Amino acid sequence: GENVEQHPSTLSVQEGDSAVIKCTYSDSASNYFPWYKQELGKRPQLIIDIRSNVGEKKDQRIAVTLNKTAKHFSLHITETQPEDSAVYFCAASIGGSQGNLIFGKGTKLSVKP
Amino acid sequence: GAGVSQSPSNKVTEKGKDVELRCDPISGHTALYWYRQSLGQGLEFLIYFQGNSAPDKSGLPSDRFSAERTGGSVSTLTIQRTQQEDSAVYLCASSPSWGRVRETQYFGPGTRLLVL
Repeated sequence: GENVEQHPSTLSVQEGDSAVIKCTYSDSASNYFPWYKQELGKRPQLIIDIRSNVGEKKDQRIAVTLNKTAKHFSLHITETQPEDSAVYFCAASIGGSQGNLIFGKGTKLSVKP
Repeated sequence: GAGVSQSPSNKVTEKGKDVELRCDPISGHTALYWYRQSLGQGLEFLIYFQGNSAPDKSGLPSDRFSAERTGGSVSTLTIQRTQQEDSAVYLCASSPSWGRVRETQYFGPGTRLLVL
């Protein structure tokens, strides 16, 4: 079945450094790729998303890149801050499902001051 | 506007009892999803409702789990004869059926279930 692999499972960086989280997907019909941030004890919140007709999207310190040929997409956080510490989930739409997503297993990001 | 709401926020039950978890999606959202999140783990898909279509139940772990969505709005997830391994946070999400971001899922705060 469809699958989304996410790496690394944990990531520790110094404040101010960049963080990169990578995901690969298996369904070639996937065309929507959101990223969610989940702080401890809270609900997942959408932070950025990208569609298959775009290769890169930026929103302040956050960017996402998509390589459809290789079926992988990445989240880039620059100038990390302690409040970026959270678990980040990538997801990919399931082709033909009219809206369902398959999620990666998450990356726990720790930003050390 | 109001987001996705879930109740109860916490539920403690004894092994073997049945529990019902409720989800109120964002008004007008036609798609509704249930996920399970065990401690420190990812989002395990359980079930997906889209409009009047038959639900996608492919993620339900056993026949003890079932879900309903009445009137295309509120949903109830029922776990019968609960087991200790059912202890987890149960998250509900909804998404609209229009626009470019119809797949964007908006999550509720979750119900934390503890089976003793």
